[in-house]
Amino acid sequence: AQSVAQPEDQVNVAEGNPLTVKCTYSVSGNPYLFWYVQYPNRGLQFLLKYITGDNLVKGSYGFEAEFNKSQTSFHLKKPSALVSDSALYFCAVVSLASYNFNKFYFGSGTKLNVKP
Amino acid sequence: NAGVTQTPKFRVLKTGQSMTLLCAQDMNHEYMYWYRQDPGMGLRLIHYSVGEGTTAKGEVPDGYNVSRLKKQNFLLGLESAAPSQTSVYFCASSPREAGDRNEQFFGPGTRLTVL
Repeated sequence: AQSVAQPEDQVNVAEGNPLTVKCTYSVSGNPYLFWYVQYPNRGLQFLLKYITGDNLVKGSYGFEAEFNKSQTSFHLKKPSALVSDSALYFCAVVSLASYNFNKFYFGSGTKLNVKP
Repeated sequence: NAGVTQTPKFRVLKTGQSMTLLCAQDMNHEYMYWYRQDPGMGLRLIHYSVGEGTTAKGEVPDGYNVSRLKKQNFLLGLESAAPSQTSVYFCASSPREAGDRNEQFFGPGTRLTVL
């Protein structure tokens, strides 16, 4: 069965410091991995995805994520956090076992708080 | 290009009432989805559709029905609302090309309260 775990309900970081939001996954087969951000009272916005190739993926708003197959992780990172990055972040996985149809499995979400 | 839109934005129902949530997308996407979002549980797939006239059950389909009569619209119905269906509902769509490599595009959500 496919699943995604976001072990931290909340991450607090000071503005200007690096941030990491953790995600681990469990799938049968090779994973496709995604990160989304949700601002208050808004829908989810796509940040970045890993399909294949370079393990370090760059996305929107200065975010990047590192795919680690041995640790089955896909952590979201940013070198210098902004107060405006405060939001709810979701990791999602699609398994190739679902064959050409992207049925997503979402994590429970991590609330990022960036303090001035 | 409005993307994915949802109607209504907010709704309060009494137990046993029925309602329909409308999702529309103008990106000519084949695939459409309905999710519910509950605190601490992320998003859970209710129903989805891989094309006009086709629908399928997701992870939590009980108490909901859907229809996809037109490619651009995906309707979610609650026949007899229950307090357990209090949630935020999101619609999403994605293109068929390169199927599972595509991100999904989300609407702004509908906040439903069932009293």
